[in-house]
Amino acid sequence: NAGVTQTPKFQVLKTGQSMTLQCAQDMNHEYMSWYRQDPGMGLRLIHYSVGAGITDQGEVPNGYNVSRSTTEDFPLRLLSAAPSQTSVYFCASGRGGNYEQYFGPGTRLTVT
Amino acid sequence: AQSVTQLGSHVSVSEGALVLLRCNYSSSVPPYLFWYVQYPNQGLQLLLKYTSAATLVKGINGFEAEFKKSETSFHLTKPSAHMSDAAEYFCAVSHGSSNTGKLIFGQGTTLQVKP
Repeated sequence: NAGVTQTPKFQVLKTGQSMTLQCAQDMNHEYMSWYRQDPGMGLRLIHYSVGAGITDQGEVPNGYNVSRSTTEDFPLRLLSAAPSQTSVYFCASGRGGNYEQYFGPGTRLTVT
Repeated sequence: AQSVTQLGSHVSVSEGALVLLRCNYSSSVPPYLFWYVQYPNQGLQLLLKYTSAATLVKGINGFEAEFKKSETSFHLTKPSAHMSDAAEYFCAVSHGSSNTGKLIFGQGTTLQVKP
């Protein structure tokens, strides 16, 4: 199993550009989520999904879109990048019942 | 609303000394509690979890944590620190009766281990 994979590992964007952060898991997990990590703030939930076709907002959803058409994939779209979105983004997946979340290696995004 | 507070953003111990990382939570429903570790430039790895079974939870790498409802705490301990324990540690809480997998994280504690 590859677990949770994320691409790209690093990305630099200019203000106003759009892009999609990719996340995939091969563990057949129902639950997937996106977090952003900023110094001194821990990880904050952006969006999450409880299954294909079902998504919901987390704590900091503004400026981000998600969709989930398959169990395996959960892409995160930045519509118009802003410097405030400079962060490290983590995707996670888990199976209902034991609540453990498995995290990907992260994408480091810089918006100039 | 649920929340997590980690006391101390940086903790420094000598190799072989006791490690104590503090976590307090707030939850109006029975919580599920987790400790994750993050090594430099890596993702998060689960150390241990409390899911309403035994209050003393043992995890990987010799870590353990005790759930104390009266103190709303879930402190992480290890009897003897190793250099390899240097990392950032996160305490997190999830809604115990909601099967969404949503986690609320604390701010993180960086553990430094001195030789």
